Amino acid sequence: EVVMTQSPATLSVSPGERATLSCRASQTISSNLAWFQQKPGQAPRLLIYGTSTRATGVPARFSGSGSGTEFTLTISSLQSEDFAVYYCQHYNNWPGYTFGPGTKLEIK
Amino acid sequence: EVLLAQSGAEVKKPGESLTISCKASGYSFTDSWINWVRQVPGKGLEWMGRIDPTDSYSNFSPSFQGHVTISVDKSSGIAYLHWSILEASDTAIYYCARPEREGHLRDWGQGTLVIVSS
Repeated sequence: EVVMTQSPATLSVSPGERATLSCRASQTISSNLAWFQQKPGQAPRLLIYGTSTRATGVPARFSGSGSGTEFTLTISSLQSEDFAVYYCQHYNNWPGYTFGPGTKLEIK
Repeated sequence: EVLLAQSGAEVKKPGESLTISCKASGYSFTDSWINWVRQVPGKGLEWMGRIDPTDSYSNFSPSFQGHVTISVDKSSGIAYLHWSILEASDTAIYYCARPEREGHLRDWGQGTLVIVSS
């Protein structure tokens, strides 16, 4: 079973700066990698799927990249509404879906 | 517009049974599996299992196999998550989610808080 890890656990960044979040798979996976944003009291929101495709309505400052076992979510210029917890997820594997433990993006 | 409307919060005692629901609308119910995801307060997201509304085939994460069951009422467009015997460790928010054709989970319910306490 594929295990997903994320780093760092917490990332402190100032508004307007770039944030880079990492996700690693325990074995080579396909491009079936998604990123979610979750704010307190809310359901997760899909940001990126297929490693690099932005979901409908997601601002262009969010971008995804990677392959093999290493994947990255980049937020080019942080806005106040971007401070949240971010999860990567491998999908279309067996038995189903695997989430990473999350990265909390906080204001520096 | 796709909408997944979940049932309200529940407070139960250990050993009791519980069923929570997820009513789907805005798409053909049998076109997509329904998934259930657990989030213990302050913790991350855990995929529990899923069901194909077409034939009620379900499969589960090994972590949840045998502890919960998933079912659907195809005629009503509702998916259910059921516990026969609740434990205090089942205290969490439970989300239903629907995948797109490519497999990623685009649509999510608002979550159902389940508190299990004596």
